[in-house]
Amino acid sequence: AQSVAQPEDQVNVAEGNPLTVKCTYSVSGNPYLFWYVQYPNRGLQFLLKYITGDNLVKGSYGFEAEFNKSQTSFHLKKPSALVSDSALYFCAVSDYGGSQGNLIFGKGTKLSVKP
Amino acid sequence: DAGVIQSPRHEVTEMGQEVTLRCKPISGHNSLFWYRQTMMRGLELLIYFNNNVPIDDSGMPEDRFSAKMPNASFSTLKIQPSEPRDSAVYFCASSFGQGGNYGYTFGSGTRLTVV
Repeated sequence: AQSVAQPEDQVNVAEGNPLTVKCTYSVSGNPYLFWYVQYPNRGLQFLLKYITGDNLVKGSYGFEAEFNKSQTSFHLKKPSALVSDSALYFCAVSDYGGSQGNLIFGKGTKLSVKP
Repeated sequence: DAGVIQSPRHEVTEMGQEVTLRCKPISGHNSLFWYRQTMMRGLELLIYFNNNVPIDDSGMPEDRFSAKMPNASFSTLKIQPSEPRDSAVYFCASSFGQGGNYGYTFGSGTRLTVV
């Protein structure tokens, strides 16, 4: 069965510093990996996805994520955090070709960026 | 495209009353998902439809909850009778194709408060 884990409930970063939000996954087939962001009182918004190809994926708002097959990880990164990046971030995985196929979401990581 | 449209944005109702939440998916998307989000339990998948047919309703908490998708452009989630513990934000999401290969598009949610 597919699963995704976000080991940190909260990540605190100072503005201007690099940020990393961690995600690990488990699937039986090839993973399709996604990051979503949720701002207060809003729905989840798509940030980026990995399907195949280059392990470094670039997405919206300057975010990027690195697919690491050996470590089964897909960590979200940004070189320089902004206060406006403060939000709830969700990692999700789809088991392409697997029996389930739908996205499985992590429990979310709250990112807090302080001035 | 207007995205996934949910109504109402906010609903306050008294315990015991019937509540109906509505969702219009993105045109051309053939999968639709209902989620519930609370602080305690995070994001929970309640039910999903593919080509208007309910595929998995194992996440529906009780018989008080029901969902329908009479056509490709409309779905409802009904709670009857409502209880205070149903208070949450309910999200609708849609996607193209079966499974999560293309990612989901979420609506802005309905914040339900049962008093």
